[in-house]
Amino acid sequence: SQKIEQNSEALNIQEGKTATLTCNYTNYSPAYLQWYRQDPGRGPVFLLLIRENEKEKRKERLKVTFDTTLKQSLFHITASQPADSATYLCALGSYSSASKIIFGSGTRLSIRP
Amino acid sequence: SAVISQKPSRDICQRGTSLTIQCQVDSQVTMMFWYRQQPGQSLTLIATANQGSEATYESGFVIDKFPISRPNLTFSTLTVSNMSPEDSSIYLCSVVISAHEQFFGPGTRLTVL
Repeated sequence: SQKIEQNSEALNIQEGKTATLTCNYTNYSPAYLQWYRQDPGRGPVFLLLIRENEKEKRKERLKVTFDTTLKQSLFHITASQPADSATYLCALGSYSSASKIIFGSGTRLSIRP
Repeated sequence: SAVISQKPSRDICQRGTSLTIQCQVDSQVTMMFWYRQQPGQSLTLIATANQGSEATYESGFVIDKFPISRPNLTFSTLTVSNMSPEDSSIYLCSVVISAHEQFFGPGTRLTVL
Protein backbone atom coordinates (compact mmCIF):
# COMPACT_ATOMS: atom_id res chain seq x y z
CA SER A 1 0.00 0.00 0.00
CA GLN A 2 1.04 3.62 -0.44
CA LYS A 3 3.13 4.92 2.42
CA ILE A 4 4.66 8.27 3.29
CA GLU A 5 7.26 8.62 6.02
CA GLN A 6 8.50 11.88 7.44
CA ASN A 7 11.67 11.99 9.49
CA SER A 8 11.49 11.80 13.23
CA GLU A 9 8.62 12.91 15.33
CA ALA A 10 10.31 16.17 16.28
CA LEU A 11 13.28 18.20 15.15
CA ASN A 12 15.00 20.80 17.34
CA ILE A 13 17.18 23.38 15.61
CA GLN A 14 19.15 26.36 16.81
CA GLU A 15 17.94 29.69 15.45
CA GLY A 16 19.86 30.75 12.36
CA LYS A 17 20.70 27.20 11.28
CA THR A 18 19.19 25.37 8.33
CA ALA A 19 16.40 22.94 9.16
CA THR A 20 16.11 19.94 6.85
CA LEU A 21 13.01 17.76 6.85
CA THR A 22 12.71 14.50 4.94
CA CYS A 23 9.76 12.91 3.19
CA ASN A 24 10.09 9.38 1.81
CA TYR A 25 7.41 7.46 -0.01
CA THR A 26 6.83 3.94 -1.30
CA ASN A 27 4.42 2.21 -3.66
CA TYR A 28 3.46 5.47 -5.33
CA SER A 29 4.42 7.46 -8.40
CA PRO A 30 3.25 10.99 -7.66
CA ALA A 31 2.89 13.66 -10.28
CA TYR A 32 3.69 16.30 -7.68
CA LEU A 33 4.62 16.72 -4.06
CA GLN A 34 3.50 19.45 -1.71
CA TRP A 35 4.64 20.82 1.63
CA TYR A 36 2.29 22.34 4.17
CA ARG A 37 2.75 24.07 7.50
CA GLN A 38 0.35 23.37 10.35
CA ASP A 39 0.23 25.34 13.57
CA PRO A 40 -1.52 23.97 16.68
CA GLY A 41 -5.29 24.27 16.43
CA ARG A 42 -5.20 25.37 12.80
CA GLY A 43 -5.62 23.82 9.40
CA PRO A 44 -2.59 23.17 7.17
CA VAL A 45 -1.28 26.05 5.06
CA PHE A 46 0.12 25.38 1.61
CA LEU A 47 3.80 26.30 1.17
CA LEU A 48 5.24 24.79 -1.99
CA LEU A 49 4.48 22.39 -4.81
CA ILE A 50 7.14 20.60 -6.84
CA ARG A 51 6.34 18.51 -9.89
CA GLU A 52 7.86 15.18 -10.84
CA ASN A 53 9.97 16.73 -13.59
CA GLU A 54 11.42 19.38 -11.27
CA LYS A 55 14.49 18.80 -9.16
CA GLU A 56 14.37 21.85 -6.94
CA LYS A 57 12.12 24.76 -6.10
CA ARG A 58 12.71 27.79 -3.92
CA LYS A 59 10.52 30.32 -2.21
CA GLU A 60 12.18 32.93 -0.01
CA ARG A 61 13.95 30.95 2.75
CA LEU A 62 12.38 27.67 1.68
CA LYS A 63 13.89 25.11 -0.66
CA VAL A 64 12.39 21.81 -1.74
CA THR A 65 14.08 19.02 -3.67
CA PHE A 66 12.37 16.07 -5.30
CA ASP A 67 14.19 12.88 -6.26
CA THR A 68 11.81 10.45 -7.94
CA THR A 69 14.54 7.80 -8.14
CA LEU A 70 15.13 7.83 -4.41
CA LYS A 71 11.42 8.51 -3.82
CA GLN A 72 12.36 11.32 -1.50
CA SER A 73 11.82 15.02 -0.96
CA LEU A 74 13.90 17.28 1.24
CA PHE A 75 12.47 20.48 2.68
CA HIS A 76 14.95 23.11 3.84
CA ILE A 77 14.37 26.25 5.87
CA THR A 78 17.45 28.46 5.85
CA ALA A 79 18.23 31.07 8.50
CA SER A 80 15.58 29.46 10.70
CA GLN A 81 13.61 31.58 13.16
CA PRO A 82 11.52 30.71 16.22
CA ALA A 83 8.46 31.73 14.16
CA ASP A 84 9.20 28.79 11.86
CA SER A 85 8.31 26.40 14.69
CA ALA A 86 5.35 24.31 13.51
CA THR A 87 4.48 20.90 12.12
CA TYR A 88 5.36 20.42 8.46
CA LEU A 89 3.43 17.97 6.32
CA CYS A 90 4.36 16.55 2.96
CA ALA A 91 1.65 15.39 0.59
CA LEU A 92 1.65 13.48 -2.70
CA GLY A 93 -0.79 13.95 -5.52
CA SER A 94 -1.60 12.90 -9.04
CA TYR A 95 -3.10 14.86 -11.91
CA SER A 96 -5.79 12.28 -12.50
CA SER A 97 -7.70 13.30 -9.40
CA ALA A 98 -7.26 16.40 -7.29
CA SER A 99 -8.78 14.58 -4.36
CA LYS A 100 -6.18 11.86 -4.19
CA ILE A 101 -3.70 13.75 -2.09
CA ILE A 102 -1.99 11.57 0.50
CA PHE A 103 -0.51 13.26 3.54
CA GLY A 104 2.42 12.23 5.70
CA SER A 105 2.04 12.39 9.46
CA GLY A 106 4.26 15.45 9.70
CA THR A 107 7.44 16.53 11.44
CA ARG A 108 7.23 18.87 14.40
CA LEU A 109 9.95 21.49 14.09
CA SER A 110 11.10 23.61 17.03
CA ILE A 111 13.51 26.49 16.57
CA ARG A 112 15.15 27.57 19.80
CA PRO A 113 16.48 31.11 20.21
CA SER B 1 -6.59 32.06 -2.63
CA ALA B 2 -9.63 31.13 -0.56
CA VAL B 3 -10.87 31.92 2.92
CA ILE B 4 -12.67 29.06 4.60
CA SER B 5 -14.63 29.15 7.82
CA GLN B 6 -15.96 26.24 9.83
CA LYS B 7 -18.61 25.98 12.52
CA PRO B 8 -18.42 24.96 15.27
CA SER B 9 -14.75 25.40 16.04
CA ARG B 10 -15.01 22.75 18.74
CA ASP B 11 -17.65 20.70 20.52
CA ILE B 12 -18.00 18.09 23.20
CA CYS B 13 -20.72 15.56 22.45
CA GLN B 14 -22.28 12.56 24.08
CA ARG B 15 -21.97 9.07 22.68
CA GLY B 16 -24.80 8.18 20.29
CA THR B 17 -25.60 11.73 19.23
CA SER B 18 -24.84 13.45 15.91
CA LEU B 19 -23.02 16.66 15.06
CA THR B 20 -23.20 18.66 11.84
CA ILE B 21 -20.14 20.67 10.84
CA GLN B 22 -20.52 23.57 8.44
CA CYS B 23 -17.93 24.77 5.93
CA GLN B 24 -18.23 28.10 4.12
CA VAL B 25 -15.90 29.31 1.34
CA ASP B 26 -15.60 32.90 0.16
CA SER B 27 -15.62 31.91 -3.53
CA GLN B 28 -17.34 29.37 -5.71
CA VAL B 29 -15.50 26.07 -5.98
CA THR B 30 -16.31 22.86 -7.78
CA MET B 31 -14.97 20.36 -5.26
CA MET B 32 -14.80 20.53 -1.49
CA PHE B 33 -13.09 17.92 0.62
CA TRP B 34 -13.59 16.66 4.14
CA TYR B 35 -10.64 15.31 6.13
CA ARG B 36 -10.17 13.83 9.56
CA GLN B 37 -7.02 14.31 11.60
CA GLN B 38 -6.72 12.25 14.74
CA PRO B 39 -4.28 13.35 17.44
CA GLY B 40 -0.70 13.05 16.25
CA GLN B 41 -1.82 11.51 12.99
CA SER B 42 -1.90 12.49 9.36
CA LEU B 43 -4.88 13.89 7.51
CA THR B 44 -7.20 11.22 6.13
CA LEU B 45 -9.60 12.06 3.34
CA ILE B 46 -13.19 11.18 4.24
CA ALA B 47 -14.99 12.24 1.09
CA THR B 48 -15.19 14.66 -1.81
CA ALA B 49 -18.31 16.83 -1.84
CA ASN B 50 -19.53 17.67 -5.33
CA GLN B 51 -22.24 20.23 -5.94
CA GLY B 52 -25.30 18.65 -7.51
CA SER B 53 -24.28 15.04 -6.99
CA GLU B 54 -23.62 12.51 -4.28
CA ALA B 55 -20.42 12.79 -2.32
CA THR B 56 -17.63 10.37 -3.15
CA TYR B 57 -16.43 8.48 -0.09
CA GLU B 58 -12.99 6.99 0.49
CA SER B 59 -12.42 3.44 1.64
CA GLY B 60 -13.44 3.01 5.25
CA PHE B 61 -15.99 5.83 5.27
CA VAL B 62 -19.70 5.41 4.53
CA ILE B 63 -22.56 7.77 3.87
CA ASP B 64 -24.67 6.50 6.76
CA LYS B 65 -21.96 7.47 9.22
CA PHE B 66 -20.77 10.67 7.51
CA PRO B 67 -23.60 12.14 5.44
CA ILE B 68 -22.54 15.18 3.43
CA SER B 69 -24.55 17.95 1.87
CA ARG B 70 -23.41 20.37 -0.83
CA PRO B 71 -26.33 22.67 -1.59
CA ASN B 72 -24.29 25.26 -3.53
CA LEU B 73 -20.77 26.10 -4.69
CA THR B 74 -19.71 27.86 -1.48
CA PHE B 75 -21.10 25.66 1.29
CA SER B 76 -21.00 22.10 2.57
CA THR B 77 -21.87 20.21 5.72
CA LEU B 78 -20.51 17.02 7.20
CA THR B 79 -22.51 15.14 9.82
CA VAL B 80 -20.85 12.71 12.19
CA SER B 81 -23.65 10.32 13.11
CA ASN B 82 -24.16 8.05 16.10
CA MET B 83 -20.88 9.18 17.56
CA SER B 84 -18.51 7.11 19.64
CA PRO B 85 -15.28 8.13 21.41
CA GLU B 86 -13.36 6.82 18.38
CA ASP B 87 -14.83 9.70 16.38
CA SER B 88 -12.96 12.21 18.53
CA SER B 89 -10.81 14.04 16.05
CA ILE B 90 -10.28 17.27 14.17
CA TYR B 91 -12.44 17.55 11.08
CA LEU B 92 -11.22 19.81 8.29
CA CYS B 93 -12.75 20.95 5.05
CA SER B 94 -10.65 22.08 2.13
CA VAL B 95 -10.89 23.30 -1.45
CA VAL B 96 -8.59 23.29 -4.45
CA ILE B 97 -8.53 26.63 -6.26
CA SER B 98 -5.78 26.21 -8.81
CA ALA B 99 -2.51 24.39 -9.47
CA HIS B 100 -3.43 21.69 -6.95
CA GLU B 101 -2.98 24.08 -4.05
CA GLN B 102 -5.34 23.15 -1.25
CA PHE B 103 -6.78 25.66 1.17
CA PHE B 104 -7.95 24.35 4.51
CA GLY B 105 -10.45 25.58 7.02
CA PRO B 106 -9.41 26.04 10.66
CA GLY B 107 -10.90 22.70 11.63
CA THR B 108 -13.54 21.50 14.08
CA ARG B 109 -12.21 19.79 17.20
CA LEU B 110 -14.67 17.12 18.25
CA THR B 111 -14.56 15.29 21.55
CA VAL B 112 -17.00 12.43 22.14
CA LEU B 113 -17.55 11.31 25.72
